[in-house]
Amino acid sequence: NAGVMQNPRHLVRRRGQEARLRCSPMKGHSHVYWYRQLPEEGLKFMVYLQKENIIDESGMPKERFSAEFPKEGPSILRIQQVVRGDSAAYFCASSPVVGYTEAFFGQGTRLTVV
Amino acid sequence: AQSVTQLGSHVSVSEGALVLLRCNYSSSVPPYLFWYVQYPNQGLQLLLKYTTGATLVKGINGFEAEFKKSETSFHLTKPSAHMSDAAEYFCAVSDTGNQFYFGTGTSLTVIP
Repeated sequence: NAGVMQNPRHLVRRRGQEARLRCSPMKGHSHVYWYRQLPEEGLKFMVYLQKENIIDESGMPKERFSAEFPKEGPSILRIQQVVRGDSAAYFCASSPVVGYTEAFFGQGTRLTVV
Repeated sequence: AQSVTQLGSHVSVSEGALVLLRCNYSSSVPPYLFWYVQYPNQGLQLLLKYTTGATLVKGINGFEAEFKKSETSFHLTKPSAHMSDAAEYFCAVSDTGNQFYFGTGTSLTVIP
């Protein structure tokens, strides 16, 4: 059973471009969580999704950021018109049930905005 | 509301010495507690977790942690540090809801 797969591992974007980060949960997992890790900081919650539904997006910036988890395919975190402050590591976790007792994290996507 | 405080952003120990990384939490409900390790440019790897039952939890790589409700603590220990233990360690709390709440991390350096 493959783990949580995130791609790309590294992404470089120029200011104003769009960044699309992908997360394929573990097989059988229908709950996906996205976190952002800024340099020298811990991970901060962004959004929690189930298949085709956003359950909690209280940690998402109000503008430029969106997330989806379609019925088929990976979860996507989309950042429009990136700015330097978006440079961070973005981690995805998945679990088979709500809550974190069985959650697994991916290796993250490191976004650099130049 | 949940929150986690990790005392000491940087800890250095000699190889073979005791490792003690501190974590205190606040939670309005019985918490689930976790320790994760992050190696450079890697993701998070679960070391151990406390959900219910025995308060002394054993994890991978010889680490263990004890849930002390009266002290609202979940400190991570390892009797003898190894060079390969050098990494960033994160304590996290969850109330089984939609979020983990992470501490800001402790960077462990092991001195040969």
